[in-house]
Amino acid sequence: AIRMTQSPSSFSASTGDRVTITCRASQGISSYLAWYQQKPGKAPKLLIYAASTLQSGVPSRFSGSGSGTDFTLTISCLQSEDFATYYCQQYYSYPRTFGQGTKLEIK
Amino acid sequence: EVQLLESGGGLVQPGGSLRLSCAASGFTFSSYAMSWVRQAPGKGLEWVSAISGSGGSTYYADSVKGRFTISRDNSKNTLYLQMNSLRAEDTAVYYCAKDPIAAALPDWYFDLWGRGTLVTVSS
Repeated sequence: AIRMTQSPSSFSASTGDRVTITCRASQGISSYLAWYQQKPGKAPKLLIYAASTLQSGVPSRFSGSGSGTDFTLTISCLQSEDFATYYCQQYYSYPRTFGQGTKLEIK
Repeated sequence: EVQLLESGGGLVQPGGSLRLSCAASGFTFSSYAMSWVRQAPGKGLEWVSAISGSGGSTYYADSVKGRFTISRDNSKNTLYLQMNSLRAEDTAVYYCAKDPIAAALPDWYFDLWGRGTLVTVSS
């Protein structure tokens, strides 16, 4: 199975900050990568697919980049509603696997 | 409204069985592959099983293969997960999730998730 490793596992930031989360695949996955946001007690919400395509309805302050093994999720100007846990997921091969998550907390 | 609603979770003893259901609405259920994804308390997401739109192709994580069975009833717009020989490590919130591409095998990301149902395996 392809292992997905996110960094950092958690960090603190302030509203208005620009933040970047990294996801690394244990082998090349082309651009078959999605990003999700999950708030406590809620289901995950799709943010980005195909590494850089924004899901309909997701604010443009979210962006994704990368291909092969290294990917990033960037939030350009943090809003209060963005404090959550973020997961990457590869869909290049079975089993579909997720990163361990990055918890973004308010500083 | 497009939505998924899971049910059937609860407390079960180790070795026991449980059947989860996921009722879909607001889209042509039979056109889309569906999956179950679980999340142990305080942990990350783990894909469990997937099924094609027709139900003819099924896929399982190694951790549940031989114990869990995924199925669907397209006439009832409902997805199922039959869980047998349950273990403590199966304790989790179970989400059903929809693939984004109609008439495709379950090879994608998930564009719609249900709210989840909690399964607790404990004596």
